[in-house]
Amino acid sequence: DGGITQSPKYLFRKEGQNVTLSCEQNLNHDAMYWYRQDPGQGLRLIYYSQIVNDFQKGDIAEGYSVSREKKESFPLTVTSAQKNPTAFYLCASSSVGGSNQPQHFGDGTRLSIL
Amino acid sequence: GESVGLHLPTLSVQEGDNSIINCAYSNSASDYFIWYKQESGKGPQFIIDIRSNMDKRQGQRVTVLLNKTVKHLSLQIAATQPGDSAVYFCAENYYSSYKLIFGSGTRLLVRP
Repeated sequence: DGGITQSPKYLFRKEGQNVTLSCEQNLNHDAMYWYRQDPGQGLRLIYYSQIVNDFQKGDIAEGYSVSREKKESFPLTVTSAQKNPTAFYLCASSSVGGSNQPQHFGDGTRLSIL
Repeated sequence: GESVGLHLPTLSVQEGDNSIINCAYSNSASDYFIWYKQESGKGPQFIIDIRSNMDKRQGQRVTVLLNKTVKHLSLQIAATQPGDSAVYFCAENYYSSYKLIFGSGTRLLVRP
């Protein structure tokens, strides 16, 4: 079954702790994305990657880091520098050519502060 | 599941009626538009897309209309069903880039 898998579904972070959210896709897509969703708002882009070993900051990258060592995987680390990490985090991917192609989403990770 | 948005505009329709969800987009240079459906606690699900060289596109029970003159997008759902209840987002593709800009969403409630 092709798709995007995000884990864990729920995650809790302590003060001063870094946490990593997993995103794996088996769609053979080149481009991958991380978004943050807050209540009453649309999605905001954190980071995106068009190819392996390359990624760019989105609109709200401060306090986050990513890596893209494999085509299938695009993990997001929420660092202690992110002072308001509580949100719903969504990973997406799109096929090569990126533009004018739909992005397909996983089912998200909900991050909360303990 | 968690609410996607607590203070979203809400459209309430009777089961079987047609629904029209509207979206104003921000940039006249955007050339690709997508509608997504998001159920509580899940990620957005692709519904339909349209390119700027078109003004209408139809799918199964859904139609998207694009009016570039007034930067307006609409999603029409025919014979709305209870399973259509969700939050609907429009997204625009900015300057043919990889970046999508999302609207804040509209909640659709279907009354039985």
